[in-house]
Amino acid sequence: DGGITQSPKYLFRKEGQNVTLSCEQNLNHDAMYWYRQDPGQGLRLIYYSQIVNDFQKGDIAEGYSVSREKKESFPLTVTSAQKNPTAFYLCASSLGLYNEQFFGPGTRLTVL
Amino acid sequence: QKEVEQNSGPLSVPEGAIASLNCTYSDRGSQSFFWYRQYSGKSPELIMSIYSNGDKEDGRFTAQLNKASQYVSLLIRDSQPSDSATYLCAADPPAGGTSYGKLTFGQGTILTVHP
Repeated sequence: DGGITQSPKYLFRKEGQNVTLSCEQNLNHDAMYWYRQDPGQGLRLIYYSQIVNDFQKGDIAEGYSVSREKKESFPLTVTSAQKNPTAFYLCASSLGLYNEQFFGPGTRLTVL
Repeated sequence: QKEVEQNSGPLSVPEGAIASLNCTYSDRGSQSFFWYRQYSGKSPELIMSIYSNGDKEDGRFTAQLNKASQYVSLLIRDSQPSDSATYLCAADPPAGGTSYGKLTFGQGTILTVHP
């Protein structure tokens, strides 16, 4: 089955810890994205990547980091510098930057 | 700040009625528009894409685009309780600008279809 997978589904973090969220796709898409969604709000772009070894900051990149070493993978690290990380994190991919984006199932991160 | 705005709702329609969801966008150069459906606690699911003026139909869904008015809508005919969800409108920025590649999402409209 082609698709986007994210893990874990739920993640709990203690204050001061870095955590990494996984995103993998087997759709052969070039572009990948990370969004954050807070309750009752729309999606906000954290980082995006058009090709391997290249990525760009989105609107709310502070406190986050990413890597794109493989076409299929785009992990997101939520660092201790992110002051309010509790949110629903969504990974998406598209064939190119101007094509439809398809979303993974999401990771719900809670800071304890 | 380029924006996509949706009527916030919630919108409540009876089963079998037509649900009309509206969206306006501020960047006149936007070319591609998308409607996503998001069930509570789940991720968004793409249901319609539209790129040119006019109507595009897919089953019970019709997307309408009017670039002159900077307006996109989604009509759901014969609404079912399973259509109850949040509907997100999104627009691509024009090529070559500083927002290259960054899809802009509206806040979403909550739709409830009651039996």
